[in-house]
Amino acid sequence: SQKIEQNSEALNIQEGKTATLTCNYTNYSPAYLQWYRQDPGRGPVFLLLIRENEKEKRKERLKVTFDTTLKQSLFHITASQPADSATYLCALEGDNYGQNFVFGPGTRLSVLP
Amino acid sequence: DTGVSQDPRHKITKRGQNVTFRCDPISEHNRLYWYRQTLGQGPEFLTYFQNEAQLEKSRLLSDRFSAERPKGSFSTLEIQRTEQGDSAMYLCASSFSELRYYEQYFGPGTRLTVT
Repeated sequence: SQKIEQNSEALNIQEGKTATLTCNYTNYSPAYLQWYRQDPGRGPVFLLLIRENEKEKRKERLKVTFDTTLKQSLFHITASQPADSATYLCALEGDNYGQNFVFGPGTRLSVLP
Repeated sequence: DTGVSQDPRHKITKRGQNVTFRCDPISEHNRLYWYRQTLGQGPEFLTYFQNEAQLEKSRLLSDRFSAERPKGSFSTLEIQRTEQGDSAMYLCASSFSELRYYEQYFGPGTRLTVT
Protein backbone atom coordinates (compact mmCIF):
# COMPACT_ATOMS: atom_id res chain seq x y z
CA SER A 1 0.00 0.00 0.00
CA GLN A 2 1.04 3.61 -0.47
CA LYS A 3 3.03 5.00 2.43
CA ILE A 4 4.70 8.31 3.26
CA GLU A 5 7.25 8.71 6.05
CA GLN A 6 8.81 11.87 7.38
CA ASN A 7 12.19 11.56 9.02
CA SER A 8 11.33 12.31 12.57
CA GLU A 9 8.46 13.38 14.69
CA ALA A 10 10.37 16.37 16.03
CA LEU A 11 13.51 18.26 15.11
CA ASN A 12 15.24 20.90 17.26
CA ILE A 13 17.85 23.19 15.76
CA GLN A 14 19.63 26.37 16.73
CA GLU A 15 18.64 29.69 15.18
CA GLY A 16 20.69 30.48 12.10
CA LYS A 17 21.34 26.85 11.19
CA THR A 18 19.86 24.97 8.25
CA ALA A 19 16.97 22.64 8.99
CA THR A 20 16.65 19.58 6.76
CA LEU A 21 13.46 17.55 6.74
CA THR A 22 12.99 14.29 4.87
CA CYS A 23 9.99 12.79 3.15
CA ASN A 24 10.18 9.19 1.88
CA TYR A 25 7.46 7.38 0.04
CA THR A 26 6.79 3.85 -1.16
CA ASN A 27 4.46 2.30 -3.72
CA TYR A 28 3.95 5.65 -5.43
CA SER A 29 4.88 7.26 -8.68
CA PRO A 30 3.68 10.80 -8.02
CA ALA A 31 3.88 13.41 -10.73
CA TYR A 32 4.62 16.02 -8.09
CA LEU A 33 5.14 16.57 -4.40
CA GLN A 34 4.21 19.46 -2.14
CA TRP A 35 5.31 20.83 1.21
CA TYR A 36 2.99 22.54 3.64
CA ARG A 37 3.46 24.33 6.94
CA GLN A 38 0.98 23.87 9.78
CA ASP A 39 0.84 25.92 12.96
CA PRO A 40 -1.02 24.59 16.03
CA GLY A 41 -4.79 24.83 15.70
CA ARG A 42 -4.63 25.99 12.08
CA GLY A 43 -4.98 24.44 8.66
CA PRO A 44 -1.90 23.66 6.55
CA VAL A 45 -0.46 26.42 4.37
CA PHE A 46 1.10 25.62 1.00
CA LEU A 47 4.82 26.36 0.67
CA LEU A 48 6.32 24.72 -2.41
CA LEU A 49 5.47 22.31 -5.21
CA ILE A 50 8.07 20.32 -7.13
CA ARG A 51 7.40 18.25 -10.23
CA GLU A 52 8.88 14.84 -10.99
CA ASN A 53 11.11 16.29 -13.72
CA GLU A 54 12.50 19.01 -11.42
CA LYS A 55 15.45 18.22 -9.23
CA GLU A 56 15.33 21.32 -7.07
CA LYS A 57 13.05 24.25 -6.32
CA ARG A 58 13.79 27.36 -4.28
CA LYS A 59 11.72 30.06 -2.67
CA GLU A 60 13.47 32.62 -0.50
CA ARG A 61 15.08 30.63 2.36
CA LEU A 62 13.35 27.39 1.35
CA LYS A 63 14.74 24.68 -0.92
CA VAL A 64 13.14 21.42 -1.95
CA THR A 65 14.71 18.50 -3.80
CA PHE A 66 12.91 15.56 -5.36
CA ASP A 67 14.66 12.29 -6.18
CA THR A 68 12.25 9.92 -7.88
CA THR A 69 14.85 7.14 -7.92
CA LEU A 70 15.32 7.25 -4.17
CA LYS A 71 11.63 8.11 -3.72
CA GLN A 72 12.63 10.93 -1.44
CA SER A 73 12.20 14.68 -1.03
CA LEU A 74 14.35 16.90 1.14
CA PHE A 75 13.10 20.21 2.50
CA HIS A 76 15.66 22.75 3.67
CA ILE A 77 15.18 25.98 5.59
CA THR A 78 18.36 28.05 5.60
CA ALA A 79 19.19 30.71 8.21
CA SER A 80 16.38 29.34 10.35
CA GLN A 81 14.46 31.64 12.69
CA PRO A 82 12.25 30.92 15.72
CA ALA A 83 9.28 31.99 13.54
CA ASP A 84 9.97 28.93 11.37
CA SER A 85 8.90 26.69 14.26
CA ALA A 86 5.92 24.69 13.04
CA THR A 87 4.96 21.27 11.72
CA TYR A 88 5.96 20.63 8.12
CA LEU A 89 3.98 18.18 6.02
CA CYS A 90 4.81 16.63 2.70
CA ALA A 91 1.95 15.68 0.41
CA LEU A 92 1.86 13.57 -2.72
CA GLU A 93 -0.62 13.39 -5.50
CA GLY A 94 -2.72 10.32 -4.87
CA ASP A 95 -3.22 7.42 -7.19
CA ASN A 96 -6.12 8.98 -9.04
CA TYR A 97 -4.34 11.65 -11.07
CA GLY A 98 -4.40 14.31 -8.39
CA GLN A 99 -7.97 13.85 -7.38
CA ASN A 100 -6.81 13.30 -3.86
CA PHE A 101 -3.70 14.06 -1.89
CA VAL A 102 -1.93 11.89 0.64
CA PHE A 103 -0.13 13.63 3.48
CA GLY A 104 2.78 12.44 5.57
CA PRO A 105 2.58 12.53 9.36
CA GLY A 106 4.62 15.73 9.56
CA THR A 107 7.80 16.80 11.31
CA ARG A 108 7.55 19.28 14.19
CA LEU A 109 10.40 21.75 13.86
CA SER A 110 11.53 23.89 16.78
CA VAL A 111 14.09 26.61 16.13
CA LEU A 112 15.73 27.60 19.38
CA PRO A 113 16.94 31.20 19.90
CA ASP B 1 -11.35 37.02 -0.98
CA THR B 2 -10.73 36.05 2.60
CA GLY B 3 -9.80 32.44 1.92
CA VAL B 4 -11.48 29.22 2.96
CA SER B 5 -13.76 29.53 5.97
CA GLN B 6 -15.23 26.83 8.18
CA ASP B 7 -18.00 26.92 10.72
CA PRO B 8 -18.12 26.20 13.57
CA ARG B 9 -14.51 26.34 14.72
CA HIS B 10 -15.23 24.10 17.68
CA LYS B 11 -17.98 21.61 18.37
CA ILE B 12 -18.55 19.53 21.48
CA THR B 13 -21.23 16.89 21.23
CA LYS B 14 -22.40 13.84 23.08
CA ARG B 15 -21.96 10.39 21.64
CA GLY B 16 -24.85 9.42 19.42
CA GLN B 17 -25.71 12.97 18.34
CA ASN B 18 -25.55 14.20 14.76
CA VAL B 19 -23.28 17.11 13.81
CA THR B 20 -22.95 19.18 10.65
CA PHE B 21 -20.02 21.33 9.57
CA ARG B 22 -19.92 23.95 6.86
CA CYS B 23 -17.11 24.96 4.50
CA ASP B 24 -17.04 28.00 2.23
CA PRO B 25 -14.23 27.66 -0.33
CA ILE B 26 -12.40 30.37 -2.24
CA SER B 27 -15.02 31.60 -4.69
CA GLU B 28 -13.30 30.76 -7.98
CA HIS B 29 -12.19 27.30 -6.85
CA ASN B 30 -14.16 24.42 -8.31
CA ARG B 31 -12.66 21.64 -6.20
CA LEU B 32 -13.42 21.15 -2.54
CA TYR B 33 -11.87 18.56 -0.25
CA TRP B 34 -12.63 17.28 3.24
CA TYR B 35 -9.91 15.87 5.47
CA ARG B 36 -9.76 14.59 9.03
CA GLN B 37 -6.69 15.12 11.19
CA THR B 38 -5.88 13.62 14.56
CA LEU B 39 -3.09 14.68 16.88
CA GLY B 40 0.36 13.95 15.53
CA GLN B 41 -0.89 12.84 12.12
CA GLY B 42 -1.18 14.47 8.76
CA PRO B 43 -4.56 15.24 7.21
CA GLU B 44 -6.40 12.12 6.04
CA PHE B 45 -8.43 12.43 2.87
CA LEU B 46 -12.19 11.86 3.27
CA THR B 47 -13.89 13.04 0.10
CA TYR B 48 -13.78 15.63 -2.65
CA PHE B 49 -16.09 17.50 -5.01
CA GLN B 50 -15.60 18.99 -8.41
CA ASN B 51 -18.30 21.63 -8.66
CA GLU B 52 -21.38 19.93 -7.18
CA ALA B 53 -20.35 16.36 -8.05
CA GLN B 54 -18.83 14.18 -5.35
CA LEU B 55 -16.16 12.34 -7.31
CA GLU B 56 -14.31 10.34 -4.71
CA LYS B 57 -14.80 9.03 -1.19
CA SER B 58 -12.18 7.40 0.97
CA ARG B 59 -12.73 3.75 1.71
CA LEU B 60 -12.18 4.74 5.34
CA LEU B 61 -15.30 6.91 5.30
CA SER B 62 -18.11 5.07 7.05
CA ASP B 63 -21.74 5.39 6.03
CA ARG B 64 -22.31 7.63 9.05
CA PHE B 65 -20.49 10.37 7.13
CA SER B 66 -22.13 12.26 4.30
CA ALA B 67 -21.07 15.36 2.42
CA GLU B 68 -22.89 17.63 0.03
CA ARG B 69 -22.08 20.58 -2.17
CA PRO B 70 -25.51 21.40 -3.56
CA LYS B 71 -24.76 24.40 -5.74
CA GLY B 72 -21.08 23.89 -6.30
CA SER B 73 -20.22 26.56 -3.76
CA PHE B 74 -20.27 25.81 -0.01
CA SER B 75 -20.19 22.26 1.32
CA THR B 76 -21.49 20.51 4.41
CA LEU B 77 -20.13 17.44 6.15
CA GLU B 78 -22.55 15.57 8.41
CA ILE B 79 -21.64 12.88 10.89
CA GLN B 80 -24.53 10.84 12.20
CA ARG B 81 -24.56 8.94 15.49
CA THR B 82 -21.18 10.33 16.52
CA GLU B 83 -18.68 8.09 18.28
CA GLN B 84 -15.74 9.05 20.46
CA GLY B 85 -13.41 7.95 17.68
CA ASP B 86 -14.81 10.74 15.51
CA SER B 87 -13.09 13.32 17.72
CA ALA B 88 -10.63 15.08 15.43
CA MET B 89 -9.98 18.25 13.47
CA TYR B 90 -12.02 18.35 10.25
CA LEU B 91 -10.33 20.36 7.55
CA CYS B 92 -11.74 21.70 4.34
CA ALA B 93 -9.57 22.71 1.39
CA SER B 94 -10.26 24.10 -2.06
CA SER B 95 -8.34 24.31 -5.30
CA PHE B 96 -8.68 25.20 -8.97
CA SER B 97 -8.64 22.12 -11.13
CA GLU B 98 -7.80 23.65 -14.50
CA LEU B 99 -4.11 23.56 -13.64
CA ARG B 100 -2.28 20.24 -13.91
CA TYR B 101 -0.18 21.02 -10.85
CA TYR B 102 -1.94 22.86 -8.08
CA GLU B 103 -1.90 23.47 -4.38
CA GLN B 104 -4.73 23.28 -1.93
CA TYR B 105 -5.88 26.14 0.27
CA PHE B 106 -7.04 25.01 3.68
CA GLY B 107 -9.52 26.48 6.08
CA PRO B 108 -8.87 26.79 9.81
CA GLY B 109 -10.69 23.55 10.58
CA THR B 110 -13.51 22.49 12.87
CA ARG B 111 -12.38 20.74 16.03
CA LEU B 112 -14.90 18.08 17.05
CA THR B 113 -14.95 16.61 20.54
CA VAL B 114 -17.32 13.72 21.19
CA THR B 115 -17.91 13.07 24.88
